[in-house]
Amino acid sequence: NAGVTQTPKFRVLKTGQSMTLLCAQDMNHEYMYWYRQDPGMGLRLIHYSVGEGTTAKGEVPDGYNVSRLKKQNFLLGLESAAPSQTSVYFCASSYSVDRPMNTEAFFGQGTRLTVV
Amino acid sequence: GENVEQHPSTLSVQEGDSAVIKCTYSDSASNYFPWYKQELGKRPQLIIDIRSNVGEKKDQRIAVTLNKTAKHFSLHITETQPEDSAVYFCAEGNYGGSQGNLIFGKGTKLSVKP
Repeated sequence: NAGVTQTPKFRVLKTGQSMTLLCAQDMNHEYMYWYRQDPGMGLRLIHYSVGEGTTAKGEVPDGYNVSRLKKQNFLLGLESAAPSQTSVYFCASSYSVDRPMNTEAFFGQGTRLTVV
Repeated sequence: GENVEQHPSTLSVQEGDSAVIKCTYSDSASNYFPWYKQELGKRPQLIIDIRSNVGEKKDQRIAVTLNKTAKHFSLHITETQPEDSAVYFCAEGNYGGSQGNLIFGKGTKLSVKP
């Protein structure tokens, strides 16, 4: 049981390059989230999904796109990376219809992204 | 939109003392209020949570209280130990139906001095 797995763990991009971060969960969770964490700013929600095929904007969605084609995967895309997107990115998942009272969100190990 | 304010941003206590962190929220539809602990270089992990139909919940040295009328909730840690030193985040969530967002506060860095 791996929980929530993010790939890659580290990445350095040049300004203008694109990349996709992958999040995979094996807990049959309905909800998935992408956050970015910057010093003094806490965890800010970028986008989230309440089920396969659905996505919604969070607090800071500009410059990012997401897709949830399969229930277990949530992809975060940066089409044209900017230095302001240098951050640590966390994926999380929660809520299974099999266990509706368990709403704990489980986090991946994080991806440290640097845009130069 | 949703907003969670968390205070204080830093907190320093002596070992054995109590620590209290407070959060306020704006979305009256929120029904789930978790607290997460993040140690340096690690992922956030749940330490305690409370639902909107409960006013207080306790787990050993940790307790959470919720005041829905005033829209604030608090984390209480008693008999603090050095291993309690970490960053603590509160969050508000709305579970069920088409909702599902989970918004975090900016965190409180707790330092417990031996």
